[in-house]
Amino acid sequence: GAVVSQHPSRVICKSGTSVKIECRSLDFQATTMFWYRQFPKQSLMLMATSNEGSKATYEQGVEKDKFLINHASLTLSTLTVTSAHPEDSSFYICSATKTGWGTGELFFGEGSRLTVL
Amino acid sequence: GENVEQHPSTLSVQEGDSAVIKCTYSDSASNYFPWYKQELGKRPQLIIDIRSNVGEKKDQRIAVTLNKTAKHFSLHITETQPEDSAVYFCAASPPDSKYAGGTSYGKLTFGQGTILTVHP
Repeated sequence: GAVVSQHPSRVICKSGTSVKIECRSLDFQATTMFWYRQFPKQSLMLMATSNEGSKATYEQGVEKDKFLINHASLTLSTLTVTSAHPEDSSFYICSATKTGWGTGELFFGEGSRLTVL
Repeated sequence: GENVEQHPSTLSVQEGDSAVIKCTYSDSASNYFPWYKQELGKRPQLIIDIRSNVGEKKDQRIAVTLNKTAKHFSLHITETQPEDSAVYFCAASPPDSKYAGGTSYGKLTFGQGTILTVHP
């Protein structure tokens, strides 16, 4: 199988601070990674598509200056929540597909639960 | 863009009964339809998927059917067990396409989810 690791799994921060979440593909290369956000008892909402070596593509309504995405290598994408506020508290999940594959299985990270006080 | 509707939002069955969850999608170009099971606080796990070139796929107690004409697909779980209790999400994905210098492999749109409870 393919393993995607996400870190940290839980983070608590004060309002106004920035938080970085890492998403790593451990045993495969991922040209494309996706960042989702999930509120309690709700579905996964795609925030952005992260492409290695280029700018991320954000979904409508997602502030690119607030949710900074960097995909500097084929195994690492980071999501930075800047100037976090309580309404940013959520479960953030990354996912990846293997480089060279067509439309197919997504491999999800464990998720990161962000709580902004 | 794609819109995926999922029903029911909650489903309660007795152990041994069958459970059916239905989804509809809006983009006729979508060609990949996975189903995920998510336990509380954990990552979604792929349980079965189907591509648009087939109408049905089965894996032990789990089956998925696809009606491209009507743009709907369904998850069928037979002989349900308490450990099947979880939230189930359907999703749809368009064909591969290039944009922003990369590819859109795996760009899934999820349904709203179904909370399945299997009572012993």
